[in-house]
Amino acid sequence: DAGVTQSPTHLIKTRGQQVTLRCSPKSGHDTVSWYQQALGQGPQFIFQYYEEEERQRGNFPDRFSGHQFPNYSSELNVNALLLGDSALYLCASSKTGRNSPLHFGNGTRLTVT
Amino acid sequence: DAKTTQPTSMDCAEGRAANLPCNHSTISGNEYVYWYRQIHSQGPQYIIHGLKNNETNEMASLIITEDRKSSTLILPHATLRDTAVYYCIVRPANAGGTSYGKLTFGQGTILTVHP
Repeated sequence: DAGVTQSPTHLIKTRGQQVTLRCSPKSGHDTVSWYQQALGQGPQFIFQYYEEEERQRGNFPDRFSGHQFPNYSSELNVNALLLGDSALYLCASSKTGRNSPLHFGNGTRLTVT
Repeated sequence: DAKTTQPTSMDCAEGRAANLPCNHSTISGNEYVYWYRQIHSQGPQYIIHGLKNNETNEMASLIITEDRKSSTLILPHATLRDTAVYYCIVRPANAGGTSYGKLTFGQGTILTVHP
C-alpha cells in the first residue's frame, strides 16, 4: 500500500519563475493538504483540497495556488518565486471522516536562487 | 486553535522508556491531541491521537490527564531510530464532513536516544 508520494524530490528555480509540485495521496484518501517547512521550523499550513475545491487556506499569498484532480491527486503552484519560498513542501492526505489522521509524504525540497 | 507547549529537547537511553510531555491548557472539548514525529529529511509521521481516554498502538502510548490540559507520549523501549523531533498538536474535530486539514505545528521536542 503506497503512502503519499510527491514529485519531484528536489527542484532548483530562479527568482520570478513559476513551479508546480505534485502529490498522490495514500490509497483510500480523498483530501489533500499542503504545507511549507522552512529550515529549522515546523510545517506551516498552506491549504486543503477536498472534492476538487479549496476548503481551507492558511496565511499565504495568492501566488500560492492549487488544484485537485478527480483521482484525488493534487498540484501546488507557486508563481513569481521569491528567495523566501525556498523550503520543503509537504503534502498530506486523509480520508473523509471523523478525525482521520493526516499522512505526510517526504516532501519536495525547493531551492530558489 | 489551542496552543501547545513542549520542552525544547530531551535525552533518553536506548532501551528505556521515553516520556515526552505536552501542555495544552487552552484545549476545548472537541479538540483532539495528536502526536507526530519528524526524522531528518523526511515528512512528519503520524504516531497516535486521543480525545480524553488513554490510547495505545504499536508505536506508542498516549496518556491524557483528566482535565485534558496536558498529555504524555510514551515510547516504551526507545531505539536509536526514535531520534527525531516530536510534535504535539491540538486539532479540532472534523468540520463540515471533511477532515480538518490544518495542523498547527510548534517547535516540537528534539528527542535524542543515546546508545
